[in-house]
Amino acid sequence: KAGVTQTPRYLIKTRGQQVTLSCSPISGHRSVSWYQQTPGQGLQFLFEYFSETQRNKGNFPGRFSGRQFSNSRSEMNVSTLELGDSALYLCASSGDLAGNTGELFFGEGSRLTVL
Amino acid sequence: AQKITQTQPGMFVQEKEAVTLDCTYDTSDPSYGLFWYKQPSSGEMIFLIYQGSYDQQNATEGRYSLNFQKARKSANLVISASQLGDSAMYFCAMSPVLYGNNRLAFGKGNQVVVIP
Repeated sequence: KAGVTQTPRYLIKTRGQQVTLSCSPISGHRSVSWYQQTPGQGLQFLFEYFSETQRNKGNFPGRFSGRQFSNSRSEMNVSTLELGDSALYLCASSGDLAGNTGELFFGEGSRLTVL
Repeated sequence: AQKITQTQPGMFVQEKEAVTLDCTYDTSDPSYGLFWYKQPSSGEMIFLIYQGSYDQQNATEGRYSLNFQKARKSANLVISASQLGDSAMYFCAMSPVLYGNNRLAFGKGNQVVVIP
């Protein structure tokens, strides 16, 4: 069973640009959530999508957005990049919420560097 | 709001010894889930163990056990018989069960290095 796949793994952008990151969840999983990891702030929840609908949202500015497609693949977009957006962006998938043990399956992340 | 605190400095552990990683939490939610994840240098977060706030018994998963003390709001991870492959960052996390378990609040993590 293939795991969570994130692309690209590494990318470099300059301030003011925008970036799109992609996440393919485990086959059959309908929930995809995104996290930002930085040395200073640690791991922070960005948003979660379930069946193409945003179900939860963290405390990030509107420059951070996402979407989910009918095949459960998800993308997140960051517009007008700032230096502070340099981070490891992790995607996680799970089947559903009801009665499970809370296991999220994470990808290896997309490491974004903003110059 | 939920808050997770992990304050231990980096740890060196002798292979085959046990190690305890501390985690305290704060929440006003009546029910919640507690998790431990491992992050090796590759970056991927690996699920280790889960404890529901209403679970009476401490969770165990192979060499991992969670010492859950609800009154003290602590959820310490115990790794028995450490192996070299256990070297990683370890994160404690929690979620409000009522809203599902996909919105996790993470602690800052504990660095563990297992030495032969």
